[in-house]
Amino acid sequence: AQSVTQPDIHITVSEGASLELRCNYSYGATPYLFWYVQSPGQGLQLLLKYFSGDTLVQGIKGFEAEFKRSQSSFNLRKPSVHWSDAAEYFCAVAPYGGSQGNLIFGKGTKLSVKP
Amino acid sequence: EADIYQTPRYLVIGTGKKITLECSQTMGHDKMYWYQQDPGMELHLIHYSYGVNSTEKGDLSSESTVSRIRTEHFPLTLESARPSHTSQYLCASSEYRAGGPTRYEQYFGPGTRLTVT
Repeated sequence: AQSVTQPDIHITVSEGASLELRCNYSYGATPYLFWYVQSPGQGLQLLLKYFSGDTLVQGIKGFEAEFKRSQSSFNLRKPSVHWSDAAEYFCAVAPYGGSQGNLIFGKGTKLSVKP
Repeated sequence: EADIYQTPRYLVIGTGKKITLECSQTMGHDKMYWYQQDPGMELHLIHYSYGVNSTEKGDLSSESTVSRIRTEHFPLTLESARPSHTSQYLCASSEYRAGGPTRYEQYFGPGTRLTVT
């Protein structure tokens, strides 16, 4: 079955440390890939997206993500985390030609930032 | 910044009441969505619409109903609220007619947190 997996439910990092959030998908063809962030009590905001081309994509708020076809992964990274980055992060995929044009979301990773 | 609005932001209501959650967008997007999200949990798609007079059920069965009479407006109604309906409801939109990968890019409202007592 098609699925999106975010293996880490909760991650805690120190402010200023680097961050990597994992996302894996299982689809036959390369899907379109997205990362969203949700601050407490808010809706989701698009951080970045991958459609094709350069496998390293830059997003807002200093985030980047790298698509690795061989690993079916689209991991989110940030070199230096700020306290304001504490939030829930969702990976989402759009299976090419499928899902009625709807996104398939992972279950999310909650990021906590220690002072 | 996407322009999609939801009202009310918070609602506490008694069992058996009829409620309507409002969602409006000013981006001219044709496709709209409703998601249900329990605190700290994943998103579940409950309804979506491709345009006026189009409504589809999502992956999660819901007792709510939706309507799409105007492009910009996509309200969600619960005829008789129950405590099991307590959740956060997120509305989103996208420009599906654009085709290509852009059609999947969704913009979200701030959500309505519903509590049924």
